Amino acid sequence: GENVEQHPSTLSVQEGDSAVIKCTYSDSASNYFPWYKQELGKRPQLIIDIRSNVGEKKDQRIAVTLNKTAKHFSLHITETQPEDSAVYFCAAKTAGYALNFGKGTSLLVTP
Amino acid sequence: GAGVSQSPSNKVTEKGKDVELRCDPISGHTALYWYRQSLGQGLEFLIYFQGNSAPDKSGLPSDRFSAERTGGSVSTLTIQRTQQEDSAVYLCASSLAWAANTEAFFGQGTRLTVV
Repeated sequence: GENVEQHPSTLSVQEGDSAVIKCTYSDSASNYFPWYKQELGKRPQLIIDIRSNVGEKKDQRIAVTLNKTAKHFSLHITETQPEDSAVYFCAAKTAGYALNFGKGTSLLVTP
Repeated sequence: GAGVSQSPSNKVTEKGKDVELRCDPISGHTALYWYRQSLGQGLEFLIYFQGNSAPDKSGLPSDRFSAERTGGSVSTLTIQRTQQEDSAVYLCASSLAWAANTEAFFGQGTRLTVV
């Protein structure tokens, strides 16, 4: 089955700096790559996703890049704010199969 | 309802007892997932229902765990003879279609504590 690796497990940045989280996947048939944000005590919520026919997608301060050849994708958050502090999960999915998550990155943005 | 609903929100049970956790997906969503999240940990895949196809049970940790989905809607996750290591938050998610890659929406979870 699909195996998703996520790094780093923890990340601390100063407010205004950028944060980058990286993931790799094992199944070359995977074609959907969502990112979820989970605030403390809350449910995971989708913040951005990318499909395999696209190399990059941006939504305001967040962007995701995908390298299908290398089988890795990354989340970029620019101009970080304290409210960006949360756990971020990457995931990979092949059509018809389960959504597999990485182990998460705990992001702390300090004022 | 407007979102994925899970019940109960919290469940405390004695070791050795059976528990049932319920998930009401978003109406019309044909794909349904169960995940387990231990304290401070990631989202561990348990089981995936995809329309009328046989479910993907590859994530169930032992034969004490089972799940069913009746009428393509409500799902129940059953844990028999609960153990302390079963203590975790159990999250359910649903998405529009199993073949298309669309957003999975999560419920608020059931926090299970085995004492």
